[in-house]
Amino acid sequence: DAKTTQPNSMESNEEEPVHLPCNHSTISGTDYIHWYRQLPSQGPEYVIHGLTSNVNNRMASLAIAEDRKSSTLILHRATLRDAAVYYCILRGHNAGNMLTFGGGTRLMVKP
Amino acid sequence: DAGITQSPRHKVTETGTPVTLRCHQTENHRYMYWYRQDPGHGLRLIHYSYGVKDTDKGEVSDGYSVSRSKTEDFLLTLESATSSQTSVYFCAISESPANTEAFFGQGTRLTVV
Repeated sequence: DAKTTQPNSMESNEEEPVHLPCNHSTISGTDYIHWYRQLPSQGPEYVIHGLTSNVNNRMASLAIAEDRKSSTLILHRATLRDAAVYYCILRGHNAGNMLTFGGGTRLMVKP
Repeated sequence: DAGITQSPRHKVTETGTPVTLRCHQTENHRYMYWYRQDPGHGLRLIHYSYGVKDTDKGEVSDGYSVSRSKTEDFLLTLESATSSQTSVYFCAISESPANTEAFFGQGTRLTVV
């Protein structure tokens, strides 16, 4: 499975935008870029995903580089509830369509 | 919220005893997964299922077995629990395509003493 690289941790101030980077230089043409987050003591929850074009939903935006070797998850206004571990995952059409988790980025939000 | 429940939510068991964790879904999704998460680590895949009676191994399958006799239930069994299997276990469900989201359960905290 293709690997992703994320910073271990990031800090943000409340109500400011947050840009969470992810590198995936070995991405294949059919891999989707997924983002999940895990709040303390909870299971991961889906945030957003995309293939080539930038994507927006109610939670966040996903900016994908033209060569697809990197992407950025954008939280437009961080809240204290956004403090979580954010995982960038490549999901391809392998046998199990499984999600392979790396270490993720721990986002801390300061009031 | 997606209909996925794990049971039990917490369990303490003794080394050498068998343990079965249950994942139940009401979404009729084809794929079901079992992950474990240890302190300071991301989730690691144990086993997955791509249909009734169709299962395969993940990254850390040693010491675990699974069964799926119905679409809605995916069971994870520790035949003889060891302390190294103390962990939080998450079940996930998904439709087939890679461009759909997966839904995760709330987790089962298992302690083997």
